[in-house]
Amino acid sequence: ETGVTQTPRHLVMGMTNKKSLKCEQHLGHNAMYWYKQSAKKPLELMFVYNFKEQTENNSVPSRFSPECPNSSHLFLHLHTLQPEDSALYLCASSQVVSWDNTEAFFGQGTRLTVV
Amino acid sequence: DQQVKQNSPSLSVQEGRISILNCDYTNSMFDYFLWYKKYPAEGPTFLISISSIKDKNEDGRFTVFLNKSAKHLSLHIVPSQPGDSAVYFCAARLMNTGFQKLVFGTGTRLLVSP
Repeated sequence: ETGVTQTPRHLVMGMTNKKSLKCEQHLGHNAMYWYKQSAKKPLELMFVYNFKEQTENNSVPSRFSPECPNSSHLFLHLHTLQPEDSALYLCASSQVVSWDNTEAFFGQGTRLTVV
Repeated sequence: DQQVKQNSPSLSVQEGRISILNCDYTNSMFDYFLWYKKYPAEGPTFLISISSIKDKNEDGRFTVFLNKSAKHLSLHIVPSQPGDSAVYFCAARLMNTGFQKLVFGTGTRLLVSP
């Protein structure tokens, strides 16, 4: 299997549930990202991990909790979400070799619906 | 305040004709611009990019034009094909930063009809 794989592809959860999104990359990249895509809004960067260390948290509410156990896997743990958190959650990875890296690969996304 | 704007949410074009997707930006510190293409149920994929030191970059049927004075870029697809039907995102990079600092637009849905 190659590229960036996200599971599940679709998730419906209640506001009191706890669930996790998973992302796995088979590209040997050293950086991984979580993005949120809401309807009619730009892609919003949520978290960045470089070499398993979180380097960016774009003021994301604590009900979203990322985890990066190794450079190939990234999780997004969800708990007590709100209906407005319903969106497409995209994972991406890239190889950070210099300050000007821009090429990244996205997964297919997880379509999350909070009811 | 959106720094990267794609004011047309959708565009319909006939097969064989030219598709022109537009993108405007406000930050003069952007030095690199990218276009991503997204099919339903798939993640965005990189399509073409341009550095701010250039005004044109061509790759097959895809050409990106940059007008720095107007802070405007456009993606031209010639000739358009039904397989080009997708959502196209414009993205801009702040100077001296990497992928994690890309600022995305809201996307334009292109529909190419046979």
